Amino acid sequence: QVQLVESGGGVVQPGRSLRLSCAASGFTFTTYAMHWVRQAPGKGLEWVAVVSYDGNNKYYADSVKGRFTISRDNSKSTVYLQMNSLRAEDTAIYYCAKELVVVVPAFDYWGQGTLVTVSS
Amino acid sequence: DIQMTQSPSSLSASVGDRVTITCRASQGINNYLAWYQQKPGKVPKLLIYAASTLQSGVPSRFSGSGSGTDFTLTIGSLQPEDVATYYCQKYSSVPPEWTFGQGTKVEIK
Repeated sequence: QVQLVESGGGVVQPGRSLRLSCAASGFTFTTYAMHWVRQAPGKGLEWVAVVSYDGNNKYYADSVKGRFTISRDNSKSTVYLQMNSLRAEDTAIYYCAKELVVVVPAFDYWGQGTLVTVSS
Repeated sequence: DIQMTQSPSSLSASVGDRVTITCRASQGINNYLAWYQQKPGKVPKLLIYAASTLQSGVPSRFSGSGSGTDFTLTIGSLQPEDVATYYCQKYSSVPPEWTFGQGTKVEIK
């Protein structure tokens, strides 16, 4: 079965960096685009970034553009989110999600999430 | 930017009631819309994609409709296990971007 397991969250000071990982299994990782989605405590969902199946195309939400970098290692079936210049408003649970390959892409599997807290 | 407005923000209904949640786009988005369910303390779950296609394994009491600017998620007969927050999500292709609605919290009366 499909499994997505995030790691790397924690407490970090404003302005510092953190790298999240998402290890995937149970499907052909090299076939699917992968996403990061976040949810601030008690708030709604916010899409963060996507990386194409081959890692060649990456897109970001305006709120993280220039600070966050998404990447993937297909040999390890892992997707990453490098987060730099972190701000208090980046505090959230970060989920990785697999893209459903249809005409209108949606997210059919989600990890359990990893909590990032930005605080001094 | 195309804005999404989801309504209501919360609702309370009885078991067996028909429940409708609406998502409205500020411009036409074809059928580029999905619906998700997030139960308290749980991970979001895909219910509907392409506005009206039921994801595999999702109960048939859930249905989606609409195209263009107005979209609806309907729960045909509300069950206790449907207590959750529901989100719409739009997809824009140029550049690729996904935007969630504000969410609708559904409770049992």
